[in-house]
Amino acid sequence: EVQLVESGGGLVQPGGSLRLSCAASGFTFSSYSMNWVRQAPGKGLEWVSYISSSSSTIYYADSVKGRFTISRDNAKNSLYLQMNSLRDEDTAVYYCARDHPYYDSSGYYPNFDYWGQGTLVTVSS
Amino acid sequence: DIVMTQTPLSSPVTLGQPASISCRSSQSLVHSDGNTYLSWLQQRPGQPPRLLIYKISNRFSGVPDRFSGSGAGTDFTLKISRVEAEDVGVYYCMQATQFPWTFGQGTKVEIK
Repeated sequence: EVQLVESGGGLVQPGGSLRLSCAASGFTFSSYSMNWVRQAPGKGLEWVSYISSSSSTIYYADSVKGRFTISRDNAKNSLYLQMNSLRDEDTAVYYCARDHPYYDSSGYYPNFDYWGQGTLVTVSS
Repeated sequence: DIVMTQTPLSSPVTLGQPASISCRSSQSLVHSDGNTYLSWLQQRPGQPPRLLIYKISNRFSGVPDRFSGSGAGTDFTLKISRVEAEDVGVYYCMQATQFPWTFGQGTKVEIK
């Protein structure tokens, strides 16, 4: 069974830092690209960042570029999001979500097929 | 960035009746590989999003066949043939054709 479990959320002051983790199990983590998506309280979904299976390709939303860093450790089946210079508007539930496998050059497989339960980040003084 | 616009934003539906949600993208979602990476997600209250439909019309594993997707280019539709109580929630379209991936605003489906 595919499982994604986020952790690391909490209350942090504006300007502070936090590191989120996403532990993956039930599939070959090293074969899949991954994403972080967030949802502010009562709001819709916002894509945050993408990392390819080998970490060779990384993308960020403009709203977090230069402040957030996505990374992964395939040996530990884990995805990370280092968040620096946090702002009030970064307050949200942060989800990790699976993307395509690296061998899917034809786009056969679905992406965003599995999501974690999310971890809440609250930025407030 | 590709803007995804959903209508309606709220859809009160009678149990057993159909529901339909439209999603329009600001530019074509046809990828250079020939696929159209338009998906539909369901988010029940208090739950993470769940994939329903991918590449316009492909139902994900375990999704009931009362859910169907259609469309092409820039115009897409999610249909629920007969709404059940468990279908209450917010539905999002999303595109993964061009970075940044983007989502529609969400459509709230509720029972009348």
